[in-house]
Amino acid sequence: AQSVTQPDIHITVSEGASLELRCNYSYGATPYLFWYVQSPGQGLQLLLKYFSGDTLVQGIKGFEAEFKRSQSSFNLRKPSVHWSDAAEYFCAVGSTQGFGNEKLTFGTGTRLTIIP
Amino acid sequence: DTAVSQTPKYLVTQMGNDKSIKCEQNLGHDTMYWYKQDSKKFLKIMFSYNNKELIINETVPNRFSPKSPDKAHLNLHINSLELGDSAVYFCASSQDTAGGPETQYFGPGTRLLVL
Repeated sequence: AQSVTQPDIHITVSEGASLELRCNYSYGATPYLFWYVQSPGQGLQLLLKYFSGDTLVQGIKGFEAEFKRSQSSFNLRKPSVHWSDAAEYFCAVGSTQGFGNEKLTFGTGTRLTIIP
Repeated sequence: DTAVSQTPKYLVTQMGNDKSIKCEQNLGHDTMYWYKQDSKKFLKIMFSYNNKELIINETVPNRFSPKSPDKAHLNLHINSLELGDSAVYFCASSQDTAGGPETQYFGPGTRLLVL
């Protein structure tokens, strides 16, 4: 069974500082990996995804993530955070069955707080 | 234009009532999903439909009944609401890639509070 671990429940970062959010996955085949962001009271917005190819993927809002198969990790990074980045971040792994049988398994999320 | 929309955004109701949540997507996708986010923000899939056919049906109480009148709509009806049903319910959709990876796009969520 697939699973996702986000070891950090809550991270606090100063505005302008760099950010790394950790994500480890467990999946028997080639993983399809996603990062979503949920701002307070909002829905889930896709930040970026990894399907194949270049292991460093770029996303929206200046975020990037690196897939490391040897470490089963897909950590999210941003070189300089902005106050508007304060939100809950979810890592997810998808199965590859298609035809509506595509379960996303989510981590428990990391809450990001930005201090001025 | 909102890609995946849900109504209502908030729903407060008494225990024992029956309620419905509606979802519509204008992305032309073949597959739609319902997820439940509990009070600890944990997200778990409940159902998926592909071209109006039920595909995924996780271990959800049968008080929950999804209905897909067409592939752009997926509604969730909940009978005899219980306190534990209080959660945020997210609808999502994706384009069927015939076995390849799919990206799911989420709606804004419906915040259900059962009193």
